[in-house]
Amino acid sequence: EDKVVQSPLSLVVHEGDTVTLNCSYEVTNFRSLLWYKQEKKAPTFLFMLTSSGIEKKSGRLSSILDKKELSSILNITATQTGDSAIYLCAVSNTDKLIFGTGTRLQVFP
Amino acid sequence: DAGVIQSPRHEVTEMGQEVTLRCKPISGHDYLFWYRQTMMRGLELLIYFNNNVPIDDSGMPEDRFSAKMPNASFSTLKIQPSEPRDSAVYFCASSLFIPAAGDTQYFGPGTRLTVL
Repeated sequence: EDKVVQSPLSLVVHEGDTVTLNCSYEVTNFRSLLWYKQEKKAPTFLFMLTSSGIEKKSGRLSSILDKKELSSILNITATQTGDSAIYLCAVSNTDKLIFGTGTRLQVFP
Repeated sequence: DAGVIQSPRHEVTEMGQEVTLRCKPISGHDYLFWYRQTMMRGLELLIYFNNNVPIDDSGMPEDRFSAKMPNASFSTLKIQPSEPRDSAVYFCASSLFIPAAGDTQYFGPGTRLTVL
């Protein structure tokens, strides 16, 4: 059965800290790995990764895929309270996305 | 474009009642997905359509759940009869291509369903 596992389940940090969120997967016919940020409403797209070892970056967020280890990390540097959210990892196979349960990040001032 | 539109945003009903959730995808998107999100199981795909045709409904929990897409701009997810364990947030998403083609999915705001 295809599965995506995220860790940690929950994380509490102070503003300015750097955090690393993990995603590992066992999915047949892997095509890409996606990261989403979910605040109070719908998930919003952050990154799509298809190639191993190539970092994608957007401001203080960055992510990289390791196809050998079947995993990805999402880094957030200099965290802010606005980064508080659930971060979802999803893996696409031939036609659909399989989501992990997410990492709940809380950033306190 | 207004994005994916879902209604109602909140639904509270009693066990045994029929519930109908509605979704309008982004215009021009050929794929429509229905998801259910709970604390325990996270975001689960229930069913998806391509050009109004159901392609994979393996995630539909049981016969009490049904989904239709009568045209390119409208889809419904129906639960009959509803049970307390159906309480969750139901998301609709749409995309131009399948995820494997490199496209992302755009999610609606969700419907929070509570079955008492």
